[in-house]
Amino acid sequence: AQSVTQPDIHITVSEGASLELRCNYSYGATPYLFWYVQSPGQGLQLLLKYFSGDTLVQGIKGFEAEFKRSQSSFNLRKPSVHWSDAAEYFCAVGAYNNNDMRFGAGTRLTVKP
Amino acid sequence: KAGVTQTPRYLIKTRGQQVTLSCSPISGHRSVSWYQQTPGQGLQFLFEYFSETQRNKGNFPGRFSGRQFSNSRSEMNVSTLELGDSALYLCASSRSRGQETQYFGPGTRLLVL
Repeated sequence: AQSVTQPDIHITVSEGASLELRCNYSYGATPYLFWYVQSPGQGLQLLLKYFSGDTLVQGIKGFEAEFKRSQSSFNLRKPSVHWSDAAEYFCAVGAYNNNDMRFGAGTRLTVKP
Repeated sequence: KAGVTQTPRYLIKTRGQQVTLSCSPISGHRSVSWYQQTPGQGLQFLFEYFSETQRNKGNFPGRFSGRQFSNSRSEMNVSTLELGDSALYLCASSRSRGQETQYFGPGTRLLVL
């Protein structure tokens, strides 16, 4: 079965600074990769996804992610963080034939003024 | 288009009771999946329903069950509640199975006393 590792439990960045959240996956076939964001007490909002094609994908709120097959990674980036980006971010990998999606443990982002 | 809705949003039960949670998918979506989110275990896949049939099940005891109706709405049931069942239960819908984007509802927060 597929699995995801998010090495950073908590990251603090200053407002206006750049951000990179790390994600490594394990899956024997072509991975279907997602980044979701969760604000406290809320559900998950899709930021972006990668199914195939261009390895640099653009998402909502100015986020982008790059798929690197050789490194089994799908890191999330944003050039300039806003205070409203403070939340928990989850990387997930889906399967090609079912909806059993596996999530990483999440990275909590704190934004300093 | 309306998003995924879940009812109730909050629930308090006592040990030994049972509970039923409801999920209405996005219009046109035929697949519904359920996830449990806890601080200790993170996001874990419970089960997936498509065309009124359970297609996939995570590693949870038989006390956790679900069903899907002809209009794609889904319910999950937990019998003989335990303290450890306290969690945020998230429902996600997608058009079909595999290689699909899952859209999440706001969740039902269950507290077992």
